[in-house]
Amino acid sequence: GAGVSQTPSNKVTEKGKYVELRCDPISGHTALYWYRQSLGQGPEFLIYFQGTGAADDSGLPNDRFFAVRPEGSVSTLKIQRTERGDSAVYLCASSLYLSYEQYFGPGTRLTVT
Amino acid sequence: KQEVTQIPAALSVPEGENLVLNCSFTDSAIYNLQWFRQDPGKGLTSLLLIQSSQREQTSGRLNASLDKSSGRSTLYIAASQPGDSATYLCAAPNDYKLSFGAGTTVTVRA
Repeated sequence: GAGVSQTPSNKVTEKGKYVELRCDPISGHTALYWYRQSLGQGPEFLIYFQGTGAADDSGLPNDRFFAVRPEGSVSTLKIQRTERGDSAVYLCASSLYLSYEQYFGPGTRLTVT
Repeated sequence: KQEVTQIPAALSVPEGENLVLNCSFTDSAIYNLQWFRQDPGKGLTSLLLIQSSQREQTSGRLNASLDKSSGRSTLYIAASQPGDSATYLCAAPNDYKLSFGAGTTVTVRA
């Protein structure tokens, strides 16, 4: 079956611009997670959803970052007033339920110039 | 807070040699532990998931062990092949989110 998909695969934007990153989880998975990976490091947690609600957003670095999952399936990570330090690979994962095995998408590479 | 450490950071071996990758974690109250593979510029592929009630899990040439009391997991890859060259990451749960190590980058020389 189809895995987790993320669009776009690459995004280049100018400092100060707004970006949206999309994640399509595996069909039927109730939990969805966002992580961010900088070069040479392991992924770092940003936020996760159980259904439509953000169950834990403690990893969001500041209020420029926001994520939604309005219908309990697709999620969008939104970054306002982008900064060069936001450049990273943004990974999305889903699992059937919380605490179950997480399956990752290919990621979106964000470059802020 | 869960802290995960992986040693060594990089490993280079000749083809056919067995690989041993180490992972340590600080909070032993985990319900599972996952090992992932990451190829350059790609996402994470789940290799093995060990439940807290298990001591090891096997898939083909891969075997992962888990010792909760000592806060350690080890990934063994038997008879390595050049196609095994990648970065291997372990992840331990911190509540329902995963805490990752920085990974071990493996190079298998033909």
